[in-house]
Amino acid sequence: SQKIEQNSEALNIQEGKTATLTCNYTNYSPAYLQWYRQDPGRGPVFLLLIRENEKEKRKERLKVTFDTTLKQSLFHITASQPADSATYLCAPLPGGYQKVTFGTGTKLQVIP
Amino acid sequence: NAGVTQTPKFQVLKTGQSMTLQCAQDMNHEYMSWYRQDPGMGLRLIHYSVGAGITDQGEVPNGYNVSRSTTEDFPLRLLSAAPSQTSVYFCASRQTSGEYNEQFFGPGTRLTVL
Repeated sequence: SQKIEQNSEALNIQEGKTATLTCNYTNYSPAYLQWYRQDPGRGPVFLLLIRENEKEKRKERLKVTFDTTLKQSLFHITASQPADSATYLCAPLPGGYQKVTFGTGTKLQVIP
Repeated sequence: NAGVTQTPKFQVLKTGQSMTLQCAQDMNHEYMSWYRQDPGMGLRLIHYSVGAGITDQGEVPNGYNVSRSTTEDFPLRLLSAAPSQTSVYFCASRQTSGEYNEQFFGPGTRLTVL
């Protein structure tokens, strides 16, 4: 069956460092992979999408990589700030009309 | 543009009661879905719809019914509530084509079943 794994343990890092979050998937062949941010008590908010033919995508301090051979995506936040503290979710996305499922999310805590 | 709206925000039910969680979107999105979120479990897909009149099951459909009579609305029905359905419920919608295909989420409904 399809499985999406994210590090369920919280990630604590010092302000200014780079945070790296991992998303591994099995029994999937996604056309895209999305990353979302979720703050406590709120719905997830879309951050970035990377396509299967793209190795890397950047947006301001965010960087996402996508390795379809390893079936893994890495999500990096450089120069992290306390405001980056949140839970980050990945979603391997099939093309077209297929359902979208999420990983369990990784809680990031940036310590001042 | 209101985006995705959900009502109610909070609800307390007794075991065996029924209710409908409402979800509406004004972005003309074809795809709509319902998730539940429990501590340590992430978002789990309950049901989804790819257009009016078309629905399908997700990962955890038991105990829930849906219908999609219009593009805008996608209600979730609990026929006989159970304590195991205590959770936060999120509705989401997205286009099925376009640059990002991102899902837009509602603010959630916090449901407690006693």
